[in-house]
Amino acid sequence: AQTVTQSQPEMSVQEAETVTLSCTYDTSESDYYLFWYKQPPSRQMILVIRQEAYKQQNATENRFSVNFQKAAKSFSLKISDSQLGDAAMYFCAYRGAQGGSEKLVFGKGTKLTVNP
Amino acid sequence: GAVVSQHPSWVICKSGTSVKIECRSLDFQATTMFWYRQFPKQSLMLMATSNEGSKATYEQGVEKDKFLINHASLTLSTLTVTSAHPEDSSFYICSATRQGGQNTEAFFGQGTRLTVV
Repeated sequence: AQTVTQSQPEMSVQEAETVTLSCTYDTSESDYYLFWYKQPPSRQMILVIRQEAYKQQNATENRFSVNFQKAAKSFSLKISDSQLGDAAMYFCAYRGAQGGSEKLVFGKGTKLTVNP
Repeated sequence: GAVVSQHPSWVICKSGTSVKIECRSLDFQATTMFWYRQFPKQSLMLMATSNEGSKATYEQGVEKDKFLINHASLTLSTLTVTSAHPEDSSFYICSATRQGGQNTEAFFGQGTRLTVV
């Protein structure tokens, strides 16, 4: 079974600074997808960024980028120029690519605090 | 973007009663919907996978007779918590994946906070 590990229960960053959230996963599959979701206090799950395992290039979405190391099974999220609105729970998630209805496997989450 | 609507956003019910939570995909057809439970300061725990027109697949440890799931159409799945007890109080979230193609994104409802008194 696939597992996702987020080793940082909490992280903090100064506004405008950069922070990196860690995520590792375990799988025997060769093709899969990885995601970072943000859950603000409203508890609405928001997709931040996704990465297809077959792509070597790291995904980037504005201030958010990932460092995907397939051999190491590592998928970290870097938030640049942190803003107060980035404060939230961040969940790393894995999804197999066998079909269109594979379930997401979530890590335990990292609570990010942004200090003004 | 695709929208998933979950209703109600919050509900308070008496112990022993049943509560139904709806999850609707508003602008796409959802082959599969997922139901999660989230305790305070914890991650999402998958309860079951709901496929249109067939029985739901429950995760280990989830009581299928207590958490009834119905996915009668491509846009609606319901979760009914039967004979609710205070320990069933939690935050329940649904998500849906779009029918057709190799869609990789799950769209989430806004969640339902259930309080059983």
